[in-house]
Formats: sequence, structure tokens, C-alpha cells
Amino acid sequence: QKEVEQDPGPLSVPEGAIVSLNCTYSNSAFQYFMWYRQYSRKGPELLMYTYSSGNKEDGRFTAQVDKSSKYISLFIRDSQPSDSATYLCAMSADGDNYGQNFVFGPGTRLSVLP
Amino acid sequence: DAEITQSPRHKITETGRQVTLACHQTWNHNNMFWYRQDLGHGLRLIHYSYGVQDTNKGEVSDGYSVSRSNTEDLPLTLESAASSQTSVYFCASSEPGWTSTDTQYFGPGTRLTVL
Repeated sequence: QKEVEQDPGPLSVPEGAIVSLNCTYSNSAFQYFMWYRQYSRKGPELLMYTYSSGNKEDGRFTAQVDKSSKYISLFIRDSQPSDSATYLCAMSADGDNYGQNFVFGPGTRLSVLP
Repeated sequence: DAEITQSPRHKITETGRQVTLACHQTWNHNNMFWYRQDLGHGLRLIHYSYGVQDTNKGEVSDGYSVSRSNTEDLPLTLESAASSQTSVYFCASSEPGWTSTDTQYFGPGTRLTVL
């Protein structure tokens, strides 16, 4: 079993739909949870990060962490064609914020159709 | 504006050749990282550095080396390229601190094909 699992997609939705992207993980030591967006042939860029459990909202994006289920989600409201990209989740254990122990999911490819 | 660049963007080489991928950042970050990205595997850490003269092995370091002679650059060398090293390589830099939005900033990637 991989440490971080993510449905690879592709996921196709119509413009304006609510999108739910998910990751599951096995390491209960993870405390920091991140979502990256990666456009085709570009490097990943950080969208959001959360610490421990709970929700965090930033505009049309909401990150949700359920540590009891080892499950994190990214919701995109009113999805736009410009949201079409691959979304990577990443996780890190408490006390490690230097990046050397980030564990990345394989990414979910999202297409938002006009 | 500060940025992180990689060169070349595309490289085709032959098995057994030595290859060096360049990474240059103008963020003045101490931490720099090299990852490879393969379908189904996500990003996997190859090497990382916390500052000048500091280098450390990551999860998939076999067959790769790095050196850090200044803050701005962390070149990645494939000593003897193998077909299994065909991948997309990303460089990243960061400063520590979860109290800010500063986290890893990624370069645009180098697509390497080993024939």
C-alpha cells in the first residue's frame, strides 16, 4: 500500500460544478497537509495548506482534513476551465517543515469543460 | 521578480552518458530540492540541500549527485544515465516556516529521455 493514495482521474466536470478531490494516507504522524496545482508542462504551485484537522477556505477553494479517517479533500466551487490541471496532495509529519519529508500523492487530473 | 529556473527544458541522451541538469533560484532561499515525477508515483525526492556545502540524499538518490557551491544553484548530475532515469525533473526551493505562505516554489521542470 502506498503511503498516500489519490485517484488519478481524469475527472471531467462541466463549468460551474463543485469538484471534490481526495487523498487517503496511512501514516498517522502526518500533521501538515497541502494541495498543489500543476498545469500541463509546468511545476506544481501551492494552493493551500492546513495543519491538523479541520477546514480552511480560500476563495472558491476549501481544504478539509479528517485525521480520524486519514482522509483529506479539496473542494472547488463554481469550477472554471482555468481550474483544469493536475492536483497533487502532499503531507508532512509534525515538526518537519523543511520539505525533505514531504510525501506527495500521484495527482488527480481535472478537466473543466466550458 | 524572484524566480526559479531550470535548464535545459528538454534533454535526450544515451545510456551511460553523464548528464547535468541546472537549477537556479533568485529567491535567496537556503533550502533547495530535486524531485522526479513519474506517472503513478507523484513527486519523489532525489537530493536536497539546506545551504552552501550541504547536501543530503532523498528517497531515490541512487545514480544521482548534487553539489552546492553557492546559494543560487543546485545542479543535479546523473553519473551514468540509465533508461530508468527517463522522467520529468523538478527543482524547488524554500525557506522554513509554516506561519507564512512560504513553502516550496517549483521550477518549470526538465523532461529527460534516456535512450
